[in-house]
Amino acid sequence: ETGVTQTPRHLVMGMTNKKSLKCEQHLGHNAMYWYKQSAKKPLELMFVYSLEERVENNSVPSRFSPECPNSSHLFLHLHTLQPEDSALYLCASSQETSNYGYTFGSGTRLTVV
Amino acid sequence: AQSVTQPDIHITVSEGASLELRCNYSYGATPYLFWYVQSPGQGLQLLLKYFSGDTLVQGIKGFEAEFKRSQSSFNLRKPSVHWSDAAEYFCAVGLPNTGNQFYFGTGTSLTVIP
Repeated sequence: ETGVTQTPRHLVMGMTNKKSLKCEQHLGHNAMYWYKQSAKKPLELMFVYSLEERVENNSVPSRFSPECPNSSHLFLHLHTLQPEDSALYLCASSQETSNYGYTFGSGTRLTVV
Repeated sequence: AQSVTQPDIHITVSEGASLELRCNYSYGATPYLFWYVQSPGQGLQLLLKYFSGDTLVQGIKGFEAEFKRSQSSFNLRKPSVHWSDAAEYFCAVGLPNTGNQFYFGTGTSLTVIP
């Protein structure tokens, strides 16, 4: 149990589908992140939420839509994705003021067909 | 610009042999330094971290890392590798007093030969 739980672990979706990824942390952290990890590419920071406000959006296509309803939950809403969006999506959390490192979830393996 | 460099994309070692994974950073002051490990299909797990003090830090699973300010390096070591250590290893840098700014290296893939 890492303290950061992601569901589902695996997701296969068609390009016209709408789905959501969920992340939940039980560590009392106040910042949460979405990363994309594609094969043979560096980790890509997608979104940062600090104190439930989005503070960073790294030029992510609008077909990805994050939501942070409270400090413990983070969602990534997906719609009309492309095959190149297939990747491992990782959620992480941290305590903003300390920068003591991130705690990661196990990720959601997304396949777009 | 801040950066983290892991010069070795892939390393192969025999089980029982020693291991050293290299990490260099570019930053004006001493950052916070981390090593993470990622097993296939899993998230990243923190192995160890350095904030200040003793430059040799001990982590989980028998790993250690040494901070060398003069070389801007934070290399990860293990005296005797086990087959279960086969994974992807990421070095990361956190910048003090900047809240959430965090930079990852591109990773080193470790293969362990029986």
